[in-house]
Amino acid sequence: AQTVTQSQPEMSVQEAETVTLSCTYDTSESNYYLFWYKQPPSRQMILVIRQEAYKQQNATENRFSVNFQKAAKSFSLKISDSQLGDTAMYFCAFMKRSGGGADGLTFGKGTHLIIQP
Amino acid sequence: GAVVSQHPSRVICKSGTSVKIECRSLDFQATTMFWYRQFPKQSLMLMATSNEGSKATYEQGVEKDKFLINHASLTLSTLTVTSAHPEDSSFYICSARDGAGGLDTQYFGPGTRLTVL
Repeated sequence: AQTVTQSQPEMSVQEAETVTLSCTYDTSESNYYLFWYKQPPSRQMILVIRQEAYKQQNATENRFSVNFQKAAKSFSLKISDSQLGDTAMYFCAFMKRSGGGADGLTFGKGTHLIIQP
Repeated sequence: GAVVSQHPSRVICKSGTSVKIECRSLDFQATTMFWYRQFPKQSLMLMATSNEGSKATYEQGVEKDKFLINHASLTLSTLTVTSAHPEDSSFYICSARDGAGGLDTQYFGPGTRLTVL
């Protein structure tokens, strides 16, 4: 089984600042995906960014980027030029890559990110 | 693209009744859907994996006779909470796997808040 750990229950930064959310995971799998999902107060889970473990290049999506360190089993999320709308719970998630089927996600406990005006 | 709907968004029922929740992938076909449960201020926990045309796979500790899952088509999965009790009150979220083009990403419905009186 795999575990996902988010060690920062809550973070608060000023608007326009850069913030980094930490995530570490533990697995014996060699083939997997990692994700960051955002859950605003509406509770709708929104995909922020995904990373395939076999890719060395860090994923980026506009203001969001990751620092994927496979050997260290670390997968942090950097949000640049933070905006008020970024205020939400952020969950780091792991998914084993199966041959033909699909596996569910294992989530961390989440980090509550607050962007201050 | 990749929109998942869930119905109802909120339901209140009496103890002992059964409640059905629908999850639909609106713009893609999903051979696999997942059901998660989220208690207040907690993370998402995988309950079961729903595969189109076959029996669902339940996580350890989840009663399959209590949480009935049916995945009758490539766009619809249903979760029925049978003989609901107050301890079943929770936020239930489905996700649908989009495996087209090697993406293998889960997209989430907006969730269903179940309150059992």
